[in-house]
Amino acid sequence: GQQVKQSSPSLTVQEGGISILNCDYENDMFDYFAWYKKYPDNSPTLLISVRSNVDKREDGRLTVFLNKSGKHFSLHITASQPEDTAVYLCAAGAYQGGRALIFGTGTTVSVSP
Amino acid sequence: DPKIIQKPKYLVAVTGSEKILICEQYLGHNAMYWYRQSAKKPLEFMFSYSYQKLMDNQTASSRFQPQSSKKNHLDLQITALKPDDSATYFCASSQEPLYEQYFGPGTRLTVL
Repeated sequence: GQQVKQSSPSLTVQEGGISILNCDYENDMFDYFAWYKKYPDNSPTLLISVRSNVDKREDGRLTVFLNKSGKHFSLHITASQPEDTAVYLCAAGAYQGGRALIFGTGTTVSVSP
Repeated sequence: DPKIIQKPKYLVAVTGSEKILICEQYLGHNAMYWYRQSAKKPLEFMFSYSYQKLMDNQTASSRFQPQSSKKNHLDLQITALKPDDSATYFCASSQEPLYEQYFGPGTRLTVL
């Protein structure tokens, strides 16, 4: 089964609104959680990440929340802008796993004017 | 200047042939990785190397062989190519002991 799941394949948000993206995972050994942004035919770009000893991290308009007991992490993007339109990938990894990142299938965010 | 270089950007191969995908990083990182993304599938981890030594291999097939000739190089040799190998192959790197991985632009491989 898929170890990292993004249950919403797509999301539409109005310009200026908040995008909330969710990711669930299965492996208790994961201790690193990341969000990447990807445009079609481009490579993933790291947006923000946390280790398991942190339950929240902010960076500008981005905030990642980690709920270890619920095996869930999320990305909040405030003041959404048209250039935020992209595919967002969540990823998780375990130190013991040779740093392999396990990716979700992605959520396509569309920001409408 | 690009910090992670992958060559070529596009590659077309015939079934049964062999190809080498090139990856060089100029971030000063000591860990490098290969990932693959096939159509309609999530990005999939293949290999990780740290200080030119294999850390993890989650590729079932021995047709895929990473090669690290220098600490900032991690090439991927693929033999006996099959149409199912068609995918975009991404190289990534990170600085041990940090976890953050940065991706190259990818090589799109099509096997006919």
